[in-house]
Amino acid sequence: KNEVEQSPQNLTAQEGEFITINCSYSVGISALHWLQQHPGGGIVSLFMLSSGKKKHGRLIATINIQEKHSSLHITASHPRDSAVYICAVHGTASKLTFGTGTRLQVTL
Amino acid sequence: DAGVIQSPRHEVTEMGQEVTLRCKPISGHNSLFWYRQTMMRGLELLIYFNNNVPIDDSGMPEDRFSAKMPNASFSTLKIQPSEPRDSAVYFCASSLFGAGDGYTFGSGTRLTVV
Repeated sequence: KNEVEQSPQNLTAQEGEFITINCSYSVGISALHWLQQHPGGGIVSLFMLSSGKKKHGRLIATINIQEKHSSLHITASHPRDSAVYICAVHGTASKLTFGTGTRLQVTL
Repeated sequence: DAGVIQSPRHEVTEMGQEVTLRCKPISGHNSLFWYRQTMMRGLELLIYFNNNVPIDDSGMPEDRFSAKMPNASFSTLKIQPSEPRDSAVYFCASSLFGAGDGYTFGSGTRLTVV
């Protein structure tokens, strides 16, 4: 079993839909990242959080430390949101352990 | 800051050749990470440095891989000899240890070993 599990693996949505991507982890962590990787490969850190909730534009990330669970929400989705979204956790050191990613396709 | 800078962006080499990938972290960041991404295994940590010192190299596949960080502004990942199974995208990332944000990835080097 992977230390970091994401669901769903693939997601197709229509423009404007509300999207939720889930991440569960089995190890103790100091922080959790949500990363975005577009076709072409660049990786961008969207959020780093250790408790509660963070919001940036149409993106919201939440984490429940007790339940070892995090969610990434996208409101009013747009085709440009199409990407792979990766959950990654910091253990006791700075290194990240990654989920397998969720491939999101937003269509018109 | 220009972000984390990796070079080259693409590298095609023949099996058996030496390959050197380069990374310039963000100025002021004291942690540097080398990751590898493949279709089969996703993103994996190869090695990371804190204050130029290698902390964890347990992800380095075998002796053919080596990494150095001679100073705070430069790191290399070397593969010698290269093999086709080393074909992947190699990412460098840097961060300020203990900071709440600021984990930044480079654009990656796409390595193809033929």
